[in-house]
Amino acid sequence: NAGVTQTPKFRVLKTGQSMTLLCAQDMNHEYMYWYRQDPGMGLRLIHYSVGEGTTAKGEVPDGYNVSRLKKQNFLLGLESAAPSQTSVYFCASSYVTGQGPNTEAFFGQGTRLTVV
Amino acid sequence: GESVGLHLPTLSVQEGDNSIINCAYSNSASDYFIWYKQESGKGPQFIIDIRSNMDKRQGQRVTVLLNKTVKHLSLQIAATQPGDSAVYFCAEVESGATNKLIFGTGTLLAVQP
Repeated sequence: NAGVTQTPKFRVLKTGQSMTLLCAQDMNHEYMYWYRQDPGMGLRLIHYSVGEGTTAKGEVPDGYNVSRLKKQNFLLGLESAAPSQTSVYFCASSYVTGQGPNTEAFFGQGTRLTVV
Repeated sequence: GESVGLHLPTLSVQEGDNSIINCAYSNSASDYFIWYKQESGKGPQFIIDIRSNMDKRQGQRVTVLLNKTVKHLSLQIAATQPGDSAVYFCAEVESGATNKLIFGTGTLLAVQP
């Protein structure tokens, strides 16, 4: 049981290049999230998904797109990378409970992205 | 590489002492408040949560206190160990069906042997 797996773990991009970060979870979780983490700051929500085929904007969605074509995968795309997108990106998933919000999200190991 | 812990508030404690990490929140409508622990190079890991209608909840070596009057949350760690060294984040779950976790800035806990 791998949990939440992110690929790649590290990447360096030139300004203007595009790339896709892949998040895969094998826990059959409904909800998936993409966060970015910058030094001295907490995690900020980029986009999230409450189920296959659905996505929604989080706190800082500009410059990113996402897709959830399969329940187990959540892709984060950068169409034209900018230095401001240099960050550590974390994917997370959580499951539905029948008794209100679920507070325990499972996180991947992170992807360190540098845009030069 | 640059650490996520740089520029964060830091709490330095001696091994064996109790630690208290504080957090202020702003959204009175949140249903749950949560503490996550993030070790260097890893993703955050759930520690404990508390529902908004509770004042206190205890876990193994940890206690979370919620003061809704002043919108304050704290995490108490008893007998702090070197393995407790990490960045600690408070988070809140927004009401509704999205399970969105909104994180605070974080506090770096440094345990001195």
